[in-house]
Amino acid sequence: SQQGEEDPQALSIQEGENATMNCSYKTSINNLQWYRQNSGRGLVHLILIRSNEREKHSGRLRVTLDTSKKSSSLLITASRAADTASYFCATGTQGGSEKLVFGKGTKLTVNP
Amino acid sequence: NAGVTQTPKFQVLKTGQSMTLQCAQDMNHEYMSWYRQDPGMGLRLIHYSVGAGITDQGEVPNGYNVSRSTTEDFPLRLLSAAPSQTSVYFCATQAGSSGNTIYFGEGSWLTVV
Repeated sequence: SQQGEEDPQALSIQEGENATMNCSYKTSINNLQWYRQNSGRGLVHLILIRSNEREKHSGRLRVTLDTSKKSSSLLITASRAADTASYFCATGTQGGSEKLVFGKGTKLTVNP
Repeated sequence: NAGVTQTPKFQVLKTGQSMTLQCAQDMNHEYMSWYRQDPGMGLRLIHYSVGAGITDQGEVPNGYNVSRSTTEDFPLRLLSAAPSQTSVYFCATQAGSSGNTIYFGEGSWLTVV
């Protein structure tokens, strides 16, 4: 069963704009991770936020976590055409990340 | 620096055939796992291993076997391929547990006809 559900399913923006993707989940988690997947490629880890953290930054990425609402958001600032990809959230439970449960992803298109 | 290597990248099987998807890592990671990715379904965990000699089932294990005789290798066996197993398969590795970065292979595209 899917734990994380990303919203929206697809997002199309212009270069330079910010992109926000949301993820909701159902059960208690140990951590939540965001991954990026370019078409036809494997997933690349972007950022991990633990259940006791509320916000993390990495370059142009900002992730928030609200455990009371069981939701997370990924913000990409000043987007570039190279950011075009699918973005997935994944939740880790049972004290480790070896059993990640992935959402269905948000397909982001950044138009030049 | 190979990282996680999956072979083959593409494979077409006939229903009922068996085959093995290979996954090898050179990072000395303890944890390895196999996921399948279907359109509109995200990734689903098939099997995983927390170390050599130890394997466990994920969300969708039926029709697949795994073994972990060495730290480096984690092959996924399809026992009797079915069209429902047409998918993209990803192998992933992780050092230790609890939030270390997970590294994915480039995927194996499998079509069962």
